[in-house]
Amino acid sequence: GQQVMQIPQYQHVQEGEDFTTYCNSSTTLSNIQWYKQRPGGHPVFLIQLVKSGEVKKQKRLTFQFGEAKKNSSLHITATQTTDVGTYFCAGPGYSGAGSYQLTFGKGTKLSVIP
Amino acid sequence: DSGVTQTPKHLITATGQRVTLRCSPRSGDLSVYWYQQSLDQGLQFLIQYYNGEERAKGNILERFSAQQFPDLHSELNLSSLELGDSALYFCASSVEDSSVHTQYFGPGTRLTVL
Repeated sequence: GQQVMQIPQYQHVQEGEDFTTYCNSSTTLSNIQWYKQRPGGHPVFLIQLVKSGEVKKQKRLTFQFGEAKKNSSLHITATQTTDVGTYFCAGPGYSGAGSYQLTFGKGTKLSVIP
Repeated sequence: DSGVTQTPKHLITATGQRVTLRCSPRSGDLSVYWYQQSLDQGLQFLIQYYNGEERAKGNILERFSAQQFPDLHSELNLSSLELGDSALYFCASSVEDSSVHTQYFGPGTRLTVL
C-alpha cells in the first residue's frame, strides 16, 4: 500500500534558526496536505499543495511540492517558540468505491530552545 | 475550535472491557474518519464513514467497530481491551469523500487501559 515517510523524526533548534522537514511518498500524489499538532492538541490543517513544483508561503512557512508529485517539504524561517509541535504531511490514496483516505507520515517533532 | 466534538475527553478502563467513543462532525460534513495515535507515533487510519455508510477500512482490529448514525455522529466501539490499545483516538470530518478535501480533527479521546 501507499507509504508516506517523513524525516527527520525529531529536530531541536535554537530559536531563530531555520527548520526543514521532508516528506516522501511511495506513489505519485494528486495533492499533499500538511498538518500541525501542538503538544497536547489535535492535528490542524495548514495547507494543501496540488500542482507539480508548487510553492506556497504562509508568513515564515514555505511549502513545496516536488516536480514528480512524490515529495514535499516544509521550511520554517527563523523559528519561534510558537512553532513547537509535530508537523505531519499526508497524501490521499484511493481506497476503492470512489473513496479516498489520507495516509499520514509519522511526523517531525520540532522543539525550539529559547 | 475545529467544530468537531469528541466525548469523553479521557477514559480509563481495565483490560477486557468495552468502551464507546463518540464523535460529532462539523455541521455539513458527511465524512467521518477515525484515527489512532499511540505515543510518539503517527496517525493510524482506522475507518471511514460517509453519510452513514462504511467507505474505507484501515488498520482496524476485529475487536474494534464503528458506525455512523442518521444524524451523522459516529461511534467507535473498542472491545476486549488490551494494554496496547491505550492511545489517543481522533475523529476527523470532511465535507465530502474526496482526495482534495481537508480533514478537521476533533480534540481526541485519550484512552488508558490498565
